[in-house]
Amino acid sequence: KQEVTQIPAALSVPEGENLVLNCSFTDSAIYNLQWFRQDPGKGLTSLLLIQSSQREQTSGRLNASLDKSSGRSTLYIAASQPGDSATYLCAVGSGSARQLTFGSGTQLTVLP
Amino acid sequence: ETGVTQSPTHLIKTRGQQVTLRCSSQSGHNTVSWYQQALGQGPQFIFQYYREEENGRGNFPPRFSGLQFPNYSSELNVNALELDDSALYLCASKRAGGPNEQFFGPGTRLTVL
Repeated sequence: KQEVTQIPAALSVPEGENLVLNCSFTDSAIYNLQWFRQDPGKGLTSLLLIQSSQREQTSGRLNASLDKSSGRSTLYIAASQPGDSATYLCAVGSGSARQLTFGSGTQLTVLP
Repeated sequence: ETGVTQSPTHLIKTRGQQVTLRCSSQSGHNTVSWYQQALGQGPQFIFQYYREEENGRGNFPPRFSGLQFPNYSSELNVNALELDDSALYLCASKRAGGPNEQFFGPGTRLTVL
């Protein structure tokens, strides 16, 4: 059974700081890994998708890496802004339906 | 391009009742999945529909059932509601055979009293 863990559970940083969110998973037989952002009480916004054959993806100030063999992914956020405050969720696609298994998220607060 | 939409936004039911939630998939997407997100937790996979048939299911009892229609929209039905069914229910769509990138709707907040 696939299990996904995200560390830390919560993080508070001053504006402008670079930061790293961590995600680990127990079964390396994955199709892909997807990072999402969730604002309070809202749905999920897809940030980055990394296929199992890829090592990293970049979008603007975001960079996600994937090390499938060790079961780890990181999301790097450069020059953080108060608008980045949200919960960040990591999810791995696996299983017959390629369904997503989520971690519990990292709640990020960027202080002005 | 129309994104994933869900209705209703909020719903309040009492224990033992039945509920139906609805989802319209993103344009061009033919696969729909449903997830349950309890407060403070990550979403959990309920089931997935492709070509109007269930083709994957998570660890949820049979009182959770679904439908997919020819236009790829979908319903989630929950019978005999329990207090623990209170959660945010999220619908996600993707294009079968594509990169498995899933796009989520805004969710339906279900409260069971």
